[in-house]
Amino acid sequence: AQSVAQPEDQVNVAEGNPLTVKCTYSVSGNPYLFWYVQYPNRGLQFLLKYITGDNLVKGSYGFEAEFNKSQTSFHLKKPSALVSDSALYFCAVRDRGNNRLAFGKGNQVVVIP
Amino acid sequence: KAGVTQTPRYLIKTRGQQVTLSCSPISGHRSVSWYQQTPGQGLQFLFEYFSETQRNKGNFPGRFSGRQFSNSRSEMNVSTLELGDSALYLCASSLVPGDNTGELFFGEGSRLTVL
Repeated sequence: AQSVAQPEDQVNVAEGNPLTVKCTYSVSGNPYLFWYVQYPNRGLQFLLKYITGDNLVKGSYGFEAEFNKSQTSFHLKKPSALVSDSALYFCAVRDRGNNRLAFGKGNQVVVIP
Repeated sequence: KAGVTQTPRYLIKTRGQQVTLSCSPISGHRSVSWYQQTPGQGLQFLFEYFSETQRNKGNFPGRFSGRQFSNSRSEMNVSTLELGDSALYLCASSLVPGDNTGELFFGEGSRLTVL
């Protein structure tokens, strides 16, 4: 079964410092990988995805993610964190051919002013 | 264009009651999926509908059901509510199942509290 793991519960980072949120995946075949962000009492907002092609994927709000097949990882990164980046971040993997997403447990990101 | 619309946004029910939640997908999107989000279990897949047919179903009891109408709008129903059904229920839409763009577009959710 497809799955993702987000090993850290919370990531604390000072404003202006680089932000990294970790994700590893387990799938059979080639994965569709996604990052979503959730603000309090809101739905999920799409940040970026990896389907195929370049291993470095650029997304919304200055975020990017690096797909590493050998390490089965898809870490989310931002060069300089903002206080407004404080939110819950979810990594997800999807089977090709259907819309069923398997989500990680989520990472709470706290950006300290 | 308008995003995914879920109604109601908030509701309170008591144990044993039933609830119906509604989801209107983005115009032109024909696939609708439902997810349950709780602090303990995280985000869990409930079911997916396309062309008024359930295509996939998650590991939830039969008290959880859904349907999709010809205009792609979807409803989910939970009968005989239990305290553990308190959650944020999220609806997501996409053009077709497994379409090449990949991402799902989520609504703001319906927060259900069972007392």
